[in-house]
Amino acid sequence: DVKVTQSSRYLVKRTGEKVFLECVQDMDHENMFWYRQDPGLGLRLIYFSYDVKMKEKGDIPEGYSVSREKKERFSLILESASTNQTSMYLCASSSPGQGNHEQYFGPGTRLTVT
Amino acid sequence: DQQVKQNSPSLSVQEGRISILNCDYTNSMFDYFLWYKKYPAEGPTFLISISSIKDKNEDGRFTVFLNKSAKHLSLHIVPSQPGDSAVYFCAASVRGAQKLVFGQGTRLTINP
Repeated sequence: DVKVTQSSRYLVKRTGEKVFLECVQDMDHENMFWYRQDPGLGLRLIYFSYDVKMKEKGDIPEGYSVSREKKERFSLILESASTNQTSMYLCASSSPGQGNHEQYFGPGTRLTVT
Repeated sequence: DQQVKQNSPSLSVQEGRISILNCDYTNSMFDYFLWYKKYPAEGPTFLISISSIKDKNEDGRFTVFLNKSAKHLSLHIVPSQPGDSAVYFCAASVRGAQKLVFGQGTRLTINP
């Protein structure tokens, strides 16, 4: 049973702080993804990674960076948090062998920037 | 450019009746379409998918229909149950890519 865990369920940070969101998956998946979910906008892809130390920009990478030093762990970094980064952040993983491209999601981190 | 669109932000259905959620897309290179269900404060969970070479896929109470000429897919839930109340996301993947493109979501409410 695939498990994707995220380091925090709820997080409150101040404007300008550096924020780290951690994601760990236990199914040896090659692919990992970071999304944010906002009402009326659906899930928007921030960054993704197909392999260790590899990363690619998604649709809204501005203000974010990522790190993947180990296969099971994918970190999202907000270099200097701003109020417009208040959102629900979702991590997902998948295997290239999954024919329908199904992704498995973590429970999400609700980040509030004040 | 919104490649996957769910034009109904919300839908309310009586318990026991059929729920129909709709999704339109613009990219003819999409080869798989997926539906996810999301409860508040939880991550999305996979519900059902369909390959672009099929026009229907059924799994219990859930059926997905694909109309490629209209670039339209729909999710039918019958009979609808209170536990089906959630936000439903349509998603699509381009042939050869691992990314998913998501729609905006439709909030389904099942009324007793």
